[in-house]
Amino acid sequence: QSVLTQSPSASGTPGQRVTISCSGGSSNIGTYTVSWYQQLPGTAPKLLIYNDNQRPSGVPDRFSGSKSGTSASLAISGLQSDDEADYYCAAWDDSLNGDYVFGTGTKVTVL
Amino acid sequence: QVQLVQSGAEVKKPGASVQVSCKASGYTFTSYTIHWVRQAPGQRLEWMGWINAGDNNTKYSQKFQGRVTITRDTSASTAYLELSSLRSEDTAVYYCAREPQLGPTQFDYWGQGTLVTVSS
Repeated sequence: QSVLTQSPSASGTPGQRVTISCSGGSSNIGTYTVSWYQQLPGTAPKLLIYNDNQRPSGVPDRFSGSKSGTSASLAISGLQSDDEADYYCAAWDDSLNGDYVFGTGTKVTVL
Repeated sequence: QVQLVQSGAEVKKPGASVQVSCKASGYTFTSYTIHWVRQAPGQRLEWMGWINAGDNNTKYSQKFQGRVTITRDTSASTAYLELSSLRSEDTAVYYCAREPQLGPTQFDYWGQGTLVTVSS
């Protein structure tokens, strides 16, 4: 049972903005930084956002992260067909023996 | 360039053990922590544990405590995951990922994944 809950799916047409939410609690998002990972079909995850809102070099600024309290969000603006993937939030969690936990995942579909 | 290259696919019988390797290149191996994450078919990512490649400290997820061992060989810049008492539910793709030892948590590079199939 995951402690980071994401909506199962999100969709948009090319050029639109899509927002993915990640709901947690005081033991995880409320205390620790959030990362976001993109997983294209059949490939390894890729780091998109770390430290709540920082982009690694090479990640387009179309991707942005934010956090408020015990929830975090990933926004994708100017949606492209290449953005069709699964997206996972992640954070450390004090309530699970200090485990690192991933969210339930959101499948983004480009219509 | 930074690379994490994992060993090939494995097929194991229930009750057996499996070892997956993760060879690092393109950076100073001992300056980073290696995490292991797995993904069962159609499921979310699941964190298993980490090893500090510098001081050899480890931490394991409570879920796998007693069945998982993570080690490293600094001379070979390689980390290893061993999972014992395998059952069908352990069928998954296993990934290694790198985290800088300083600064906010970020798994910035990942291995290509190793499929472990547990079947009688």
